[in-house]
Formats: sequence, structure tokens, C-alpha cells
Amino acid sequence: GENVEQHPSTLSVQEGDSAVIKCTYSDSASNYFPWYKQELGKRPQLIIDIRSNVGEKKDQRIAVTLNKTAKHFSLHITETQPEDSAVYFCAAKWVMFGNEKLTFGTGTRLTIIP
Amino acid sequence: GAVVSQHPSWVICKSGTSVKIECRSLDFQATTMFWYRQFPKQSLMLMATSNEGSKATYEQGVEKDKFLINHASLTLSTLTVTSAHPEDSSFYICSASRRLAGDRDTQYFGPGTRLTVL
Repeated sequence: GENVEQHPSTLSVQEGDSAVIKCTYSDSASNYFPWYKQELGKRPQLIIDIRSNVGEKKDQRIAVTLNKTAKHFSLHITETQPEDSAVYFCAAKWVMFGNEKLTFGTGTRLTIIP
Repeated sequence: GAVVSQHPSWVICKSGTSVKIECRSLDFQATTMFWYRQFPKQSLMLMATSNEGSKATYEQGVEKDKFLINHASLTLSTLTVTSAHPEDSSFYICSASRRLAGDRDTQYFGPGTRLTVL
């Protein structure tokens, strides 16, 4: 199956600085990599995703990069704001017996210091 | 668009009772629904995948007789925790993916159900 590792587990950055979260995956056949933001007690919200046919995708202050050869992908948040504080999960999609499923990383608790 | 609801949002029950959780896609037809369990400060662990009209596929280690899943329509899936015990206390979250070209991969999550078994 797919194994996704995520680092760091906690991250504190000064407001306005950038934050980077990294993930690695094991299944070279994985082709879809979403990032979710989850605030305490709430549902995970998709913030950005990338497919294996591109190396980078950007949406305003958020960007994701993918290195298929090395099997790792990263989330970049620039000009961080207090409302960016949350837990972020990366995930990788893989297929088993015809069923597509996501395997999630262990999460990164991001704290933005005002 | 792509809103998923869950009911109830929280439930407290006695040990040995059964609890049913509903997951609905409100504005789209869900090809597949997924059930996750999330313990405090931990990641989302997939329990099972369900497709409308067919039996759910359970992940290794998840007891299908304990966690009954029914996917009766393209907009509704239910998870029943049978004979619940304190160790079943957790945050249960469903998600759904839709039949839309260019958006088949995205999973839209429900708000979750916090189950506490006394």
C-alpha cells in the first residue's frame, strides 16, 4: 500500500514569513496529491492539489511542488497570516483492487505568531 | 457546490448500544463515499470505501460486522457502530467524491461526528 510521511509535525513561524511542509510517498503509481487544512474540531478543507503531470501549482499565497522522481511534494505558504494557523495534512491517491483511496500524512500543526 | 453534511454532529451513548451516523452529499451525486476515523491529534484513518448499491470495502483491521456501512443512494451513506464500547469513541468523518470530469479525485469532507461511548 501507500505510505505517506509528513514533516515537520509542528511548525511555528512569525506572521508574514513563509511556511514549508514536506511529504514523501512510497507508491510511484500515485498520481494525485491534495493538501487539506483542518481547524480544531472541524472538517478538513481542500486548499490545493496537484496531479503527477505537473511539477508546480500556485494559488495566491499557497503553492505546491511535486518531484515525482524523488517521490516528494511540498506545501508553501507565503506571507503567513494568523488565520493560517491550523493542522495541515498531505495525502496521496493510490489504487488497490480497483478502489481509489487517499492515504494521509500524520499532519503538521502550524502556528502563526502575531 | 460540493457540500457534504453529517448527522448527528455529536452523540453520547452507553456502552453496548448502537449508533447510526448519516453522511449526505447535498448538491451532487457521490460516486463513492469514504468513512474515516480520527483520534485526537492524529491523522485521518480510512475505515472503508462505499459505492452506491454495492458492499463496502473495508480497510485491514476494521471489523465489518462492527462498523456497518450502507450506501443506499448516490447521496446517502450510513455508518452504524454496533455494540459500541469506550474504545470506539472518536471523531468519525465521511467524505464523498463526485462524477464530474476533472473533479473525480477530490474528496469533499463532512463536518464529522464526535462519538463518545460511556
